[in-house]
Amino acid sequence: DAKTTQPPSMDCAEGRAANLPCNHSTISGNEYVYWYRQIHSQGPQYIIHGLKNNETNEMASLIITEDRKSSTLILPHATLRDTAVYYCIVRVVFVGGTSYGKLTFGQGTILTVHP
Amino acid sequence: DSGVTQTPKHLITATGQRVTLRCSPRSGDLSVYWYQQSLDQGLQFLIHYYNGEERAKGNILERFSAQQFPDLHSELNLSSLELGDSALYFCASSVGQGGTEAFFGQGTRLTVV
Repeated sequence: DAKTTQPPSMDCAEGRAANLPCNHSTISGNEYVYWYRQIHSQGPQYIIHGLKNNETNEMASLIITEDRKSSTLILPHATLRDTAVYYCIVRVVFVGGTSYGKLTFGQGTILTVHP
Repeated sequence: DSGVTQTPKHLITATGQRVTLRCSPRSGDLSVYWYQQSLDQGLQFLIHYYNGEERAKGNILERFSAQQFPDLHSELNLSSLELGDSALYFCASSVGQGGTEAFFGQGTRLTVV
């Protein structure tokens, strides 16, 4: 799986958008970008994933650059409950009939949302 | 609530002992994954089972073993425990083998004294 680079920490004011960057300059054409978060030692929580198009769901938006070498997770209206470690993971899902279900977690970005 | 159930939530045991951690996946999910999270190593993939068969192994010690039963629940067995095995152990499940969207349990916190 391609390696990712994330800032160790970020701050955001409550109610504002939180934009979390991720660099994955060595991403391959068949690798997806996934985002998970972990709130204070709870189990990681899936947020969103994408291949090359921008994606949006009820939790967040994922913007992937045209060259796919970087992406941004956007939490449109951050709340105190969004304070967590956010992990950007780049991974293959299926290649030649072989599945790659495991997730390789890096250090992530500690997002702190302030009142 | 992710729908993945892990028991027990907390476990304290002595060095040299053996413990079993249990995971019940979400209804309909055929894949179960085990992860270990320690302070110095972060979240590490241990092993993946799909419909009862082992699919992938990560950094799992030989003292550790796992299995997935016909009812799809899984157990992670840790033996000859050492102080360094103290960690959070998470189980995750997904519908297919690719883990497109994996759902994690709340973990078992193991403390070896």
